[in-house]
Amino acid sequence: EVQLVESGGGLVEPGGSLRLSCAASGFTFTTAWMIWVRQAPGQGLEWVGRIKSKADGGTADYATPLNGRFTISRDDSRNTLDLQMDSLKNEDTAVYYCTWQKGGNPYSWGQGTLVTVSS
Amino acid sequence: QSALTQPPSASGSPGQSVTISCTGTSSDVGGYNYVSWYQQHPGQAPKLMIYEVNKRPSGVPDRFSGSKSGNTASLTVSGLQAEDEADYYCSSFASRSLVFGGGTKLTVL
Repeated sequence: EVQLVESGGGLVEPGGSLRLSCAASGFTFTTAWMIWVRQAPGQGLEWVGRIKSKADGGTADYATPLNGRFTISRDDSRNTLDLQMDSLKNEDTAVYYCTWQKGGNPYSWGQGTLVTVSS
Repeated sequence: QSALTQPPSASGSPGQSVTISCTGTSSDVGGYNYVSWYQQHPGQAPKLMIYEVNKRPSGVPDRFSGSKSGNTASLTVSGLQAEDEADYYCSSFASRSLVFGGGTKLTVL
């Protein structure tokens, strides 16, 4: 059974940083492309970014509006995916989901972790 | 990357069929057979209902079906049941990104 468990969410002040983690199991993480998706309160789903498998280059792509503030990384030795978020803004308040990409889109989802940016 | 266009709401009576559209461009929906549909109940994570345009993951009832024509993908829910009332989102692979639709609230009357 595929499991994706996010952690690291919480309350942070504007301008601050936060690092989210996702523990993956139940599939071959080393060959997986992984995606972060977020959902602001009462809003729709928004793609944050994606990281390819090491075999496919290991590079990451990000949603343009993030302007380089977020960084996705992976540790294949521990089957974990991270999202480093810097220079946080109020509008980054959202539930952040870790997902496994299959067929070009998120296939399995974690339960999400809430990030609240507020002073 | 612009969001995919979905109707904000749809409705049907129990037992009826309803179709939700998802319109993109040749750079996303029309360019790849990588369209997915998700169901989301309040307070829950999205659940995959359709992937690669018309494939159903194990455990998803065959009342749910997907299709695509040109730049528009569609999700059809047949034999509507009360538990189908939820928000539905489409998504499409794009060359260096992924785009979501704005979501459709499906109401079972």
